[in-house]
Amino acid sequence: NAGVTQTPKFQVLKTGQSMTLQCAQDMNHEYMSWYRQDPGMGLRLIHYSVGAGITDQGEVPNGYNVSRSTTEDFPLRLLSAAPSQTSVYFCASSRQQNTEAFFGQGTRLTVV
Amino acid sequence: AQSVTQLDSQVPVFEEAPVELRCNYSSSVSVYLFWYVQYPNQGLQLLLKYLSGSTLVKGINGFEAEFNKSQTSFHLRKPSVHISDTAEYFCAVLSAGFSSGSARQLTFGSGTQLTVLP
Repeated sequence: NAGVTQTPKFQVLKTGQSMTLQCAQDMNHEYMSWYRQDPGMGLRLIHYSVGAGITDQGEVPNGYNVSRSTTEDFPLRLLSAAPSQTSVYFCASSRQQNTEAFFGQGTRLTVV
Repeated sequence: AQSVTQLDSQVPVFEEAPVELRCNYSSSVSVYLFWYVQYPNQGLQLLLKYLSGSTLVKGINGFEAEFNKSQTSFHLRKPSVHISDTAEYFCAVLSAGFSSGSARQLTFGSGTQLTVLP
């Protein structure tokens, strides 16, 4: 039972580089989200999607893009990495708005 | 807009002692409430949730929480903790009913690190 799978687990980028964090879920969930976790700040919502073809911004969207071409996949793109984007990134999915959110194992990103 | 405040960033407690992790929320509409646990280098796992009905909610690993609407609180409790309960705990809120935008997504508190001492 794979659940929510994030790749890569670790990544180091140079300032200005771009990359895509992958997220896939095999539970046929409509809702998917990306969060970043920083010490003392909990998890902050970056972008979310309520279904294929529908995405919207969360609390901290600047510097990130998302797309949702299929129900299963919800990649997060960093357009031009900055040191302020050093963080742990979590992808989550849920069947409905008020049901349990399932989280991936996280991607630890360092921008130097 | 909704927000969550976890009043204690660190809670050390001895093994087999009781513990309470505090959570207060603010929202202009009815809410669903959640507690998640994060073990080191792992993702978040649901402990328990309040959607409606009984205000006392029981979760996994012997944890429970009580929803108090008048005090806008959802404190997490365990009567006797174990070393294995050492982890970070997050309270989260979700607007119930019709909401627009990011209010339809989980809003997390800043987390409480529970450390159980031998």
